[in-house]
Amino acid sequence: NAGVTQTPKFQVLKTGQSMTLQCAQDMNHNSMYWYRQDPGMGLRLIYYSASEGTTDKGEVPNGYNVSRLNKREFSLRLESAAPSQTSVYFCASSDRVGYGYTFGSGTRLTVV
Amino acid sequence: GDSVTQMEGPVTLSEEAFLTINCTYTATGYPSLFWYVQYPGEGLQLLLKATKADDKGSNKGFEATYRKETTSFHLEKGSVQVSDSAVYFCALSESSGGTSYGKLTFGQGTILTVHP
Repeated sequence: NAGVTQTPKFQVLKTGQSMTLQCAQDMNHNSMYWYRQDPGMGLRLIYYSASEGTTDKGEVPNGYNVSRLNKREFSLRLESAAPSQTSVYFCASSDRVGYGYTFGSGTRLTVV
Repeated sequence: GDSVTQMEGPVTLSEEAFLTINCTYTATGYPSLFWYVQYPGEGLQLLLKATKADDKGSNKGFEATYRKETTSFHLEKGSVQVSDSAVYFCALSESSGGTSYGKLTFGQGTILTVHP
């Protein structure tokens, strides 16, 4: 089925560990995004990639890095996880302004 | 910068009641406006959208009208069902040509619970 695929779905990390969240879309969309969702705060943009080969910081980029590996894949890396990064992470993609996003099903990350 | 403000929740209704979830926005230019729905344990799904003033988006019995004069995009449904229980997010996207091309800014979300 066409859409956005995120892996893993769940992850528990210890403080200081690193990990990479994977995201892939098969809709040939140009733009991809990483958001985090925290209770009462809606979704906040971490990083985005307007097109293949470009990445830009969003609202809350500290503690994260991203890689736009190709048009399909956009990964999010936590180099040294902190409890404040406990959240649900969503990847999304879009083609054009005004057409909205397609979201993945999310990664629930807990940092202990 | 752009911002979206949704009514405080949670909202609890009985089945077949009328639903309104308020949403107002602040943006430069002429943004596109969206409502997304998130069912428990799932990602967000696009519910409806409007791309210019006075447009009405509609889907699954939900409606919202883009009101530029009041900078609002309130979500309404005439008769809610238990299956409508979810979190609803209002969002905007800057018009093309802006520095935030394509990015969505979300409100904080409103939890809706519908009882039988």
